Amino acid sequence: GESVGLHLPTLSVQEGDNSIINCAYSNSASDYFIWYKQESGKGPQFIIDIRSNMDKRQGQRVTVLLNKTVKHLSLQIAATQPGDSAVYFCAENIGGSQGNLIFGKGTKLSVKP
Amino acid sequence: KAGVTQTPRYLIKTRGQQVTLSCSPISGHRSVSWYQQTPGQGLQFLFEYFSETQRNKGNFPGRFSGRQFSNSRSEMNVSTLELGDSALYLCASSLGLRGNTIYFGEGSWLTVV
Repeated sequence: GESVGLHLPTLSVQEGDNSIINCAYSNSASDYFIWYKQESGKGPQFIIDIRSNMDKRQGQRVTVLLNKTVKHLSLQIAATQPGDSAVYFCAENIGGSQGNLIFGKGTKLSVKP
Repeated sequence: KAGVTQTPRYLIKTRGQQVTLSCSPISGHRSVSWYQQTPGQGLQFLFEYFSETQRNKGNFPGRFSGRQFSNSRSEMNVSTLELGDSALYLCASSLGLRGNTIYFGEGSWLTVV
């Protein structure tokens, strides 16, 4: 079935390095994408979002890239810090359905000091 | 500005019982969505309410229900609890329009024994 998936279930990086977390989506009707960070015992925390009419969006130390041709989404974290250690989820929102997010399985990011 | 508040944070129920979880959205938000998170299935959409009306519904049995009050606060109920209902139940709120950021609460941890 159609779903949002992740290429890498775990990612380990050195503190100060850049991290790239990837996500594939298969629903061509999706027009809004969101990245969330979830720390142990907490709810998902909004990081950044992007609409389908954009290819790139930047935030503070984070950049999201959207490639609609291959249905691929990525989250880049610059100068990764220990506090970035968490599970990262991408989510897609299908057109016409505002509150219904389809989540990927998540990627666990571990930052080594 | 207070975030999304969920109560109770932790609860234990016995099979066959029913449970009600509560969610207070961010002030001014009219959309409330509920999600179930389990290690095996990840984050799955339950339903969304907007202005006291259910706007979207996920693929869960009828034992899962919800409602929204005029002040946008929402409750979800699970009847005839099963062991498999043990999960983190997350509430999310937004202004309710396409592309509005969706913010999550810390969740309610339900254990069914």
